[in-house]
Amino acid sequence: SQQGEEDPQALSIQEGENATMNCSYKTSINNLQWYRQNSGRGLVHLILIRSNEREKHSGRLRVTLDTSKKSSSLLITASRAADTASYFCATDALDSNYQLIWGAGTKLIIKP
Amino acid sequence: DSGVTQTPKHLITATGQRVTLRCSPRSGDLSVYWYQQSLDQGLQFLIQYYNGEERAKGNILERFSAQQFPDLHSELNLSSLELGDSALYFCASSDAGGPYNEQFFGPGTRLTVL
Repeated sequence: SQQGEEDPQALSIQEGENATMNCSYKTSINNLQWYRQNSGRGLVHLILIRSNEREKHSGRLRVTLDTSKKSSSLLITASRAADTASYFCATDALDSNYQLIWGAGTKLIIKP
Repeated sequence: DSGVTQTPKHLITATGQRVTLRCSPRSGDLSVYWYQQSLDQGLQFLIQYYNGEERAKGNILERFSAQQFPDLHSELNLSSLELGDSALYFCASSDAGGPYNEQFFGPGTRLTVL
């Protein structure tokens, strides 16, 4: 069953603007991860946030986690054309039997 | 470059056939995960091996099987192929037995069943 669901499904913004993507999940988690996938390529890990953390930064990326709302957001600041990709969240639910549960992804397009 | 290699990159075959996809994890990683990604879809977890043993099973069809060898490389076998099996197949590796750390993904094998 789908644990993580990203919102929006697709997002198109101008280069230089900020992009925000959201992920909601259903059950309690140990951690939540964000990955990027360039078209047809393998996924690349961006950031991992643990259930006892509320915010994490990595370069132009900022991830927040609200366990009370079972949601996370990924903010990309000062977007660049190279940020064009699909972004996925993945959670390891406490009852996930060692699996990461993946959302369907947000397709981000940065217009030059 | 993630350090995970997958072969072949592309595979075109006919319905009813059998294929084998191969994955070599990053040096030192004991876990290998297999995923299926259909066109413009999210990832479907298939199966995980940890140090040669099956650790977790996802939505893997009975026509599919996998194994991890003593040198830690893994193979995913797909048999009695159907048109709907056309997809990207990724393997990923990690140093942990559970999904607690990041996974490193290979470039994928694109399977086309005609």
